[in-house]
Amino acid sequence: DIQLTQSPSFLSASVGDRVTITCRASEDISTYLAWYQQKPGKAPKLLISAASTLQSGVSSRFSGSGSGTQFTLTINTLQPEDFATYYCQQLILHPFTFGLGTNLEI
Amino acid sequence: EVLLVQSAAEVKKTGESLMISCKGSGYTFDTYWIGWVRQMPGKGLEWMGMIFPGDSGTRYNPSFQGRVTMSVDKSTTTASLQWGSLQATDTARYFCARKYGSGFDYWGQGTLLTVSS
Repeated sequence: DIQLTQSPSFLSASVGDRVTITCRASEDISTYLAWYQQKPGKAPKLLISAASTLQSGVSSRFSGSGSGTQFTLTINTLQPEDFATYYCQQLILHPFTFGLGTNLEI
Repeated sequence: EVLLVQSAAEVKKTGESLMISCKGSGYTFDTYWIGWVRQMPGKGLEWMGMIFPGDSGTRYNPSFQGRVTMSVDKSTTTASLQWGSLQATDTARYFCARKYGSGFDYWGQGTLLTVSS
């Protein structure tokens, strides 16, 4: 299985900050990577697909980049509603594994 | 509007069987894969597998193969996830989601399963 290593696991930030979350794949996954946001008790929400395509309705403060084995999710000007857990997922090879998550806290 | 609506929470005993469901609406159900994701209490997301409603083709995560069965009923636009014999370790919230390109774009609200002895 392809392993996805997210870092950091926990991130403490303030409203207005810019943060970057990294996802490293154990092998080349081209741009077959998605980023999700999950809040407690809720379903995940797709933010970014194909490594860098912002989903309709998602704030432009979110951006994704990378290809191959290194990917980043950047959130500019953190808002209170952005504090959540973020996951990456690879979709090139079954099983479509997730990273372990990054818990973004105030 | 695309919606995936999942069945209600379940409380079961070990050894019992169960089927939970995920009803799609607002789109052509036949033409998008439906995936299933497990989230154990306080833990991350685990991809269980997916099914293509058009031909009921499946792709299981080997970690879950043999433990669960995925199925669809095109007539009711419903995907289902079934267990033959539940274990306490099956206690989790289960999500269904629609695959669109390189991502799962619409998700059900989740079904919480509690299994106890």
